[in-house]
Amino acid sequence: DAGVIQSPRHEVTEMGQEVTLRCKPISGHNSLFWYRQTMMRGLELLIYFNNNVPIDDSGMPEDRFSAKMPNASFSTLKIQPSEPRDSAVYFCASSPRANSPLHFGNGTRLTVT
Amino acid sequence: AQTVTQSQPEMSVQEAETVTLSCTYDTSESDYYLFWYKQPPSRQMILVIRQEAYKQQNATENRFSVNFQKAAKSFSLKISDSQLGDAAMYFCAYRNNNNDMRFGAGTRLTVKP
Repeated sequence: DAGVIQSPRHEVTEMGQEVTLRCKPISGHNSLFWYRQTMMRGLELLIYFNNNVPIDDSGMPEDRFSAKMPNASFSTLKIQPSEPRDSAVYFCASSPRANSPLHFGNGTRLTVT
Repeated sequence: AQTVTQSQPEMSVQEAETVTLSCTYDTSESDYYLFWYKQPPSRQMILVIRQEAYKQQNATENRFSVNFQKAAKSFSLKISDSQLGDAAMYFCAYRNNNNDMRFGAGTRLTVKP
């Protein structure tokens, strides 16, 4: 079991650029979550998917953010255009069922200058 | 939406002593799951312990145990015989059967040698 795999581990980009974060959940897990972590706001749930279908995206801050899950083994979180206030650690997590804990990836630290 | 509150931004404990981290939550549901996660400086999110709301018995995992008070909506974590490696951010989390999972703001635990 390779765990949840996120890439890249670090991303530095300039304001206005497009950023794409990637996630491969654990095989067999049918739920996938994207979180953002900052000092000011802690861990915020951005969006989660069940069986590749977005269920709740109310945490997505703005239209600049979008997430997709084209298949059970891959998801992306895209920010376009990026802004300095998007700087944070973005976590992807997966879970096999509703009563299970989440398994987290190692996160992507995004810095927007 | 359910909320999770951790009222202690920081706590410290002497090595080998016991410390209790507080967590309260707000929900109208009767069936849900509670978790404590540890986040060391490596930023990994590590599951410490879990509790099903329908179980009256408090969960324990080695030196870690919880005090689950369902009526009071309280879920505290007790760490016994604290070790230097326990120093980390600790997050309380709530998950319902709709798959939503929310985290508290976290408590930073320092362990003094």
